[in-house]
Amino acid sequence: NAGVTQTPKFQVLKTGQSMTLQCAQDMNHEYMSWYRQDPGMGLRLIHYSVGAGITDQGEVPNGYNVSRSTTEDFPLRLLSAAPSQTSVYFCASSIRDNPGETQYFGPGTRLLVL
Amino acid sequence: DAKTTQPNSMESNEEEPVHLPCNHSTISGTDYIHWYRQLPSQGPEYVIHGLTSNVNNRMASLAIAEDRKSSTLILHRATLRDAAVYYCILSLATDGNKLVFGAGTILRVKS
Repeated sequence: NAGVTQTPKFQVLKTGQSMTLQCAQDMNHEYMSWYRQDPGMGLRLIHYSVGAGITDQGEVPNGYNVSRSTTEDFPLRLLSAAPSQTSVYFCASSIRDNPGETQYFGPGTRLLVL
Repeated sequence: DAKTTQPNSMESNEEEPVHLPCNHSTISGTDYIHWYRQLPSQGPEYVIHGLTSNVNNRMASLAIAEDRKSSTLILHRATLRDAAVYYCILSLATDGNKLVFGAGTILRVKS
């Protein structure tokens, strides 16, 4: 298994540009989520999905959209990038939406918005 | 949000045991205690989790206080590769699989 994969590894955007961060998992996990991590801080939940076709907002959803058309993929869209969205983005997955489940994280995407 | 309190940083010598403490006085009876770690420039990695009883796995042990208001992650023999930020996280029964990360404990391992 490749586990959780994320592309790209690094991206530079100009203010106002749009882009999609890709996340895929090959473990048939129902639950997927996106976090962002700012320098020196812990991760904060952006959006999550408990299954295909179902998404919901986390702690910091503004400026981001998500969709879950398949079990495997959970892309994160920035519609109009802002410098405040400069961060490292991590995707995670787990078997199901259960507080006792282990989450598996991807390697991250480093985003710089100028 | 369920809060956990951890020391900002700790230091250990290589090949010695490390005890990383965590306080979670607001824990409810069905909340899980998770530990993740994050090595430099990597995504978080699962270490261990538990509900009421102490837990052991190949990476570490988790000792949970009888009243569940605190727990300790035990690395039995620290190596240089264990240098990381360690996060103690409560996973609330009411919040599914959402994880709320604090600042964690920076573990430094000296050779």
